[in-house]
Amino acid sequence: KAGVTQTPRYLIKTRGQQVTLSCSPISGHRSVSWYQQTPGQGLQFLFEYFSETQRNKGNFPGRFSGRQFSNSRSEMNVSTLELGDSALYLCASSFDPDTQYFGPGTRLTVL
Amino acid sequence: AQSVTQLDSHVSVSEGTPVLLRCNYSSSYSPSLFWYVQHPNKGLQLLLKYTSAATLVKGINGFEAEFKKSETSFHLTKPSAHMSDAAEYFCVVTGILTGGGNKLTFGTGTQLKVEL
Repeated sequence: KAGVTQTPRYLIKTRGQQVTLSCSPISGHRSVSWYQQTPGQGLQFLFEYFSETQRNKGNFPGRFSGRQFSNSRSEMNVSTLELGDSALYLCASSFDPDTQYFGPGTRLTVL
Repeated sequence: AQSVTQLDSHVSVSEGTPVLLRCNYSSSYSPSLFWYVQHPNKGLQLLLKYTSAATLVKGINGFEAEFKKSETSFHLTKPSAHMSDAAEYFCVVTGILTGGGNKLTFGTGTQLKVEL
């Protein structure tokens, strides 16, 4: 089976812009979770989608949003980018409620 | 609420010597515990998981971990380190969320350095 894929792998944006990241889960996995990884805060849970519904959400501002499509692919959107949003964004899929498998991540740099 | 504490932020070993990465957890119920590894500029790869079956869990690349409830520990070991083991290792506990599904809570990571 193909693993979790994330696109793009690298992004450079400027403050105030918005960005959309994409995640394709492992075939058959219906749960997709997003995490933010930064040197200062480590790995933090953003949200989880299951069957096109946001099922759980971490402690991030409303500028961070997402959605899931009927084929389980998920997108994450960050609006009004801030310097502090620079991070590695990781997507993970699971055959709920089992183990989560991670993609390679999208490295976002905000200038 | 659940949490994990990785007791060492950096560990340095010589190639061919044993590896020990320490992790303590806190959970109000029987947890599922994982170790993930992250190589530079890569995503997270699952090494092994504990889900209340055998307390000694064998993973990939010769790694294993032992669940000790009395000590609330889940230390990762490998008998003989290889240069390719140099990476960051994360101890992870899952928690069942009220909306269903689960959320991973990560430790702060241990950077493993392997020297010749």
